Amino acid sequence: KAGVTQTPRYLIKTRGQQVTLSCSPISGHRSVSWYQQTPGQGLQFLFEYFSETQRNKGNFPGRFSGRQFSNSRSEMNVSTLELGDSALYLCASSAPGLAVGDTQYFGPGTRLTVL
Amino acid sequence: KNEVEQSPQNLTAQEGEFITINCSYSVGISALHWLQQHPGGGIVSLFMLSSGKKKHGRLIATINIQEKHSSLHITASHPRDSAVYICAAYSNTGNQFYFGTGTSLTVIP
Repeated sequence: KAGVTQTPRYLIKTRGQQVTLSCSPISGHRSVSWYQQTPGQGLQFLFEYFSETQRNKGNFPGRFSGRQFSNSRSEMNVSTLELGDSALYLCASSAPGLAVGDTQYFGPGTRLTVL
Repeated sequence: KNEVEQSPQNLTAQEGEFITINCSYSVGISALHWLQQHPGGGIVSLFMLSSGKKKHGRLIATINIQEKHSSLHITASHPRDSAVYICAAYSNTGNQFYFGTGTSLTVIP
């Protein structure tokens, strides 16, 4: 089975721009979660989608949003980028995603740099 | 205030040593996870625990629900164990993961 894939792997943007990141979960996984990892804050939970619905949300401003498609692929969007948004963005899927807190299978991440 | 605290932050060991990483949490949880992150960013889930103890090869994870404490042990450590180990608690009230800041382990041959 193919693992979780994320595109793009690297991205450079400037302040004020917006960005969309994509995540394809493992086949059959219906839950997709997004995380932000920075040297200062470590890993932080952004949100989780299950069957096209946002099931849980972390403490991030509304500039961070996401969605999930019927094939379970997910996108996250960050609008009006700030320097502090520079981070590694990780996506994880879980099988089958019916229970919250299941084992997470992580993608390689998208490293976003905001200049 | 951090919901999950890990110790130590950094750990250097000689090959073959027994290693313990500790995790304490303050939230009510439904599961406690141990993750391994290698340089370059890739994260692998090692264990998911809700009670007791689990073993996988040279890795052992334990949890004490009453004391809100978990430990990850590595027996006969090897240089390939060098990585950052992260404790993650799944809160049953917040319905989200809270992460420790990680323990950076270096095993010297």
